[in-house]
Amino acid sequence: GQQLNQSPQSMFIQEGEDVSMNCTSSSIFNTWLWYKQDPGEGPVLLIALYKAGELTSNGRLTAQFGTTRKDSFLNISASIPSDVGIYFCAGLLGYQKVTFGIGTKLQVIP
Amino acid sequence: SAVISQKPSRDICQRGTSLTIQCQVDSQVTMMFWYRQQPGQSLTLIATANQGSEATYESGFVIDKFPISRPNLTFSTLTVSNMSPEDSSIYLCTGQYGTGELFFGEGSRLTVL
Repeated sequence: GQQLNQSPQSMFIQEGEDVSMNCTSSSIFNTWLWYKQDPGEGPVLLIALYKAGELTSNGRLTAQFGTTRKDSFLNISASIPSDVGIYFCAGLLGYQKVTFGIGTKLQVIP
Repeated sequence: SAVISQKPSRDICQRGTSLTIQCQVDSQVTMMFWYRQQPGQSLTLIATANQGSEATYESGFVIDKFPISRPNLTFSTLTVSNMSPEDSSIYLCTGQYGTGELFFGEGSRLTVL
């Protein structure tokens, strides 16, 4: 099925650094969702975005709904070791099924 | 967030056998789905679990291999039939709210020998 393009696919960062990742699609969405998956666990919803241009924060995480409705961004400030995991974006249009990105694997070096 | 309970959390199965995974969600959920996540991969939708009727399967997935039931609003089962090593994956039950937010269970990690 269709998947979103997520980049970067993996990244190593130093503890304390800020992280940026993005998600792009050839189709528009009216909802963007960002998830984090720890090893051996199911994905956990971090942030949901419902409006073009919307900027939403959840602690050190900030996500934005791109104005074109074809992209979204997730930023993590002052990374810590427990930020390690795989981050997935997902897009939704109306009552259609959710489409997932390929994931960004984040590793934090203490 | 939604409460989604899934069991078993993991299992090791022999080739040719079948395994049924159960999922219980809270009553705020409007839609239920089953996903598969193969090692190192993203999430692939298997089917939409429809209450009281046959599930709606995505391309590449068939009812004979992955029969799904949803007898009521908050409970669903997925059976992985006649398993082979290629079926070794994490199987995830999800519940969706009316707002579109999708919540996952812990997943069932299946290893087929």
